[in-house]
Amino acid sequence: NAGVTQTPKFQVLKTGQSMTLQCAQDMNHNSMYWYRQDPGMGLRLIYYSASEGTTDKGEVPNGYNVSRLNKREFSLRLESAAPSQTSVYFCASSDNNEQFFGPGTRLTVL
Amino acid sequence: QKEVEQNSGPLSVPEGAIASLNCTYSDRGSQSFFWYRQYSGKSPELIMSIYSNGDKEDGRFTAQLNKASQYVSLLIRDSQPSDSATYLCAVKRGYGRSSYKLIFGSGTRLLVRP
Repeated sequence: NAGVTQTPKFQVLKTGQSMTLQCAQDMNHNSMYWYRQDPGMGLRLIYYSASEGTTDKGEVPNGYNVSRLNKREFSLRLESAAPSQTSVYFCASSDNNEQFFGPGTRLTVL
Repeated sequence: QKEVEQNSGPLSVPEGAIASLNCTYSDRGSQSFFWYRQYSGKSPELIMSIYSNGDKEDGRFTAQLNKASQYVSLLIRDSQPSDSATYLCAVKRGYGRSSYKLIFGSGTRLLVRP
């Protein structure tokens, strides 16, 4: 089992460009999450999906959109990237007891 | 006030000592608590969970929970340089029968000196 996978690992964008971060899990979990992590800020929840076909806003959703394509995949889209979105992005999935994290995507917006 | 608060550190301890990491939370109704370890440049990994008042031990790790004081701690006995990492405290918020979200503290950086 690969667990939670994310692509790409690194990305550099110019202000105003768009991109989609991909996430997939092979653990048959219902719930999936997108976090961002900034120095001194811990992990902040952007969006989550309790099950296939549902998505909800987290703590910092502005500037992002998500798609729960199927049970395995949960993507995060930046429509018009801003320097404030420079961060490390983690995807996670969960059963009732534990959240499992992907390896992260390091995004820089110039 | 943040929902989950941790001292950012760094907490520096000598090898073999006990490292004590602390966390406070604001929601008195919280029931489930987690400690994640995160090495630099890596993703968080779960090391302990605790749901009841008191102590829970797992190898060199002990989690302590005091719901009356809204306080969670993690003790690492016989600290090793390989324990040097950032430790994240998380509190569970349920929103359905099978789904929930975690509220994370900003993490405490632990440095174990050889």
